[in-house]
Amino acid sequence: DAKTTQPNSMESNEEEPVHLPCNHSTISGTDYIHWYRQLPSQGPEYVIHGLTSNVNNRMASLAIAEDRKSSTLILHRATLRDAAVYYCILRDIGYSGAGSYQLTFGKGTKLSVIP
Amino acid sequence: EAQVTQNPRYLITVTGKKLTVTCSQNMNHEYMSWYRQDPGLGLRQIYYSMNVEVTDKGDVPEGYKVSRKEKRNFPLILESPSPNQTSLYFCASRDRDNQPQHFGDGTRLSIL
Repeated sequence: DAKTTQPNSMESNEEEPVHLPCNHSTISGTDYIHWYRQLPSQGPEYVIHGLTSNVNNRMASLAIAEDRKSSTLILHRATLRDAAVYYCILRDIGYSGAGSYQLTFGKGTKLSVIP
Repeated sequence: EAQVTQNPRYLITVTGKKLTVTCSQNMNHEYMSWYRQDPGLGLRQIYYSMNVEVTDKGDVPEGYKVSRKEKRNFPLILESPSPNQTSLYFCASRDRDNQPQHFGDGTRLSIL
């Protein structure tokens, strides 16, 4: 899987929007961009994924740059429950070898939410 | 409720004493996998399974075994645990190739 780069940590005030960036300059045409988050003492939790177009769901929005070399996860109103480590991961759906079954987590961005 | 269930949640044991961590999913998912999470190293895949009786090594398979005799279960076996296998372990499952993974709540193993 191609590599992603995220800031180590970010802070946000409660009830304000949060923009979590991810760079993936070596992304291939068949790489989907997935976001997961891990709350303290829990397993990772799926947030959102997309290929080219911006995506919205009940948890967040995903904004993908036109050249697909970067993306931004948007939490519209941060709550204390959103404090977690956020992982940006690329999944190649076009690769049919053993690597397509792996999900490679980087170190993610630790988001702190200030009351 | 759709879920991935791991047991036990916590275990302290001694070097060399065989142990099994069970993982069960109720979503009829084909794919299952095991990860370990260590400070500073993030989540690393140990083994994965594409379907019943089909398993393969992930990034860090040494010292572990798995089996997939039924679709819902994917146990992780440590035949002779050692202290370097002290870690937080997660089981995950997913449906088709690009679907989200569902993770269990984790098993914290301490090998003394």
